[in-house]
Amino acid sequence: DGGITQSPKYLFRKEGQNVTLSCEQNLNHDAMYWYRQDPGQGLRLIYYSQIVNDFQKGDIAEGYSVSREKKESFPLTVTSAQKNPTAFYLCASSSTGGNTISTDTQYFGPGTRLTVL
Amino acid sequence: AQSVAQPEDQVKVAEGNPLTVKCTYSVSGNPYLFWYVQYPNRGLQFLLKYITGDNLVKGSYGFEAEFNKSQTSFHLKKPSALVSDSALYFCAVRVNTGRRALTFGSGTRLQVQP
Repeated sequence: DGGITQSPKYLFRKEGQNVTLSCEQNLNHDAMYWYRQDPGQGLRLIYYSQIVNDFQKGDIAEGYSVSREKKESFPLTVTSAQKNPTAFYLCASSSTGGNTISTDTQYFGPGTRLTVL
Repeated sequence: AQSVAQPEDQVKVAEGNPLTVKCTYSVSGNPYLFWYVQYPNRGLQFLLKYITGDNLVKGSYGFEAEFNKSQTSFHLKKPSALVSDSALYFCAVRVNTGRRALTFGSGTRLQVQP
């Protein structure tokens, strides 16, 4: 899992609550990503950020929000507008410079499992 | 738009036999192709990547993958499977311009039987 940490490992949310998932990296990577994993559906991109103070919607951004105030941190908030948030959430980061084996290779954190009660 | 297909939900092989996990892709432009492995309740681990050059890419843990441009495929292979290779494998793609995020396949569960 490299130099990427996610917390908490397990998270329980009540109906109508917003919750925030933490993602921190010490790899000095410019780009960070959030994915959602559901059984049998692979990974789907929620949001990504290629540089501090900038982020873009992915394929399933509705009901989620992010911020990128520091290079090391990319927290994800799951809002009450997300109707089916129970899933495994994965954060990743990558370098963006050059054209080497490391460029754009995403390194993943251990994940957060979110369950709606 | 870019997409990845992993046509097999599950692959079963006997320990010691060669294994292949299939992946085909669709992109407009030159692809970067990746294989990742995921063990239960863990994040994804990088196995290997194709950028350009040799069509046979060697990666971690004895895995390799063959890039075939005419068939738009990037199959993962290993000459001799181990029980510890049992896991979920994902193929991913991005083009070398524009959005840097990867598009993942739906995953293939590999089961290596003793």
